[in-house]
Amino acid sequence: EVQLVESGGGLVQPGGSLRLSCAASGFSFSSKWMHWVRQAPGKGLLWLSNIKSDGKNTYYADSVKGRFTISRDNAENTLYLQMNSLRAEDTAVYYCATFDYSGIWGQGTLVTVSS
Amino acid sequence: QSALTQPASVSGSPGQSITISCTGTSSDVGSSNLVSWYQQHPGKAPKLMIYEVSNWPSGVSNRFSGSKSGNTASLTISGLQAEDEADYYCSSYSRSGIWVFGGGTKLTVL
Repeated sequence: EVQLVESGGGLVQPGGSLRLSCAASGFSFSSKWMHWVRQAPGKGLLWLSNIKSDGKNTYYADSVKGRFTISRDNAENTLYLQMNSLRAEDTAVYYCATFDYSGIWGQGTLVTVSS
Repeated sequence: QSALTQPASVSGSPGQSITISCTGTSSDVGSSNLVSWYQQHPGKAPKLMIYEVSNWPSGVSNRFSGSKSGNTASLTISGLQAEDEADYYCSSYSRSGIWVFGGGTKLTVL
């Protein structure tokens, strides 16, 4: 079965850190660009970051540049998002996804930043 | 990195057709064929409905169609059905590896 499964979300205090994981299966993970997208409660989708298939190129939205780091382990078919200096406004459901014709999305993992 | 502009809401009756617009700039929609449309039902992950402006992913009904003119992309849904009621988002490749989404449009089937 083709799927992406996110994990690592939870409650974290402002200023804290969290690392999200996205486990891929059923498709050629190592051949695809991968993306992180988030959705704050009641709000729209926000693109955060992407990483090239070989991990050598990464890009970020201005809102997370310098605080979030995307990475991948193609041997483990896993995508990561390291989130540092978290703020209340980072509270959201975080999705990993492919943006090509395959349109594979995970179910999302909730990150809540609150004291 | 400004969001693409979509109408906040659209509505239509069963069997009718509706169109959702997605307006960007010459730096994103106007210069990219990497424009996609997503459908999202409450509490669910987004589902790809159209990719590369006008292409259907496997399994998506051809009642959904996409087009682009200048800086504006459009999603048309024909033969509206109750299950089409959802939020719809456009996305576009912008520049230098950056992507952008529209603000989303809530479709109500009357």
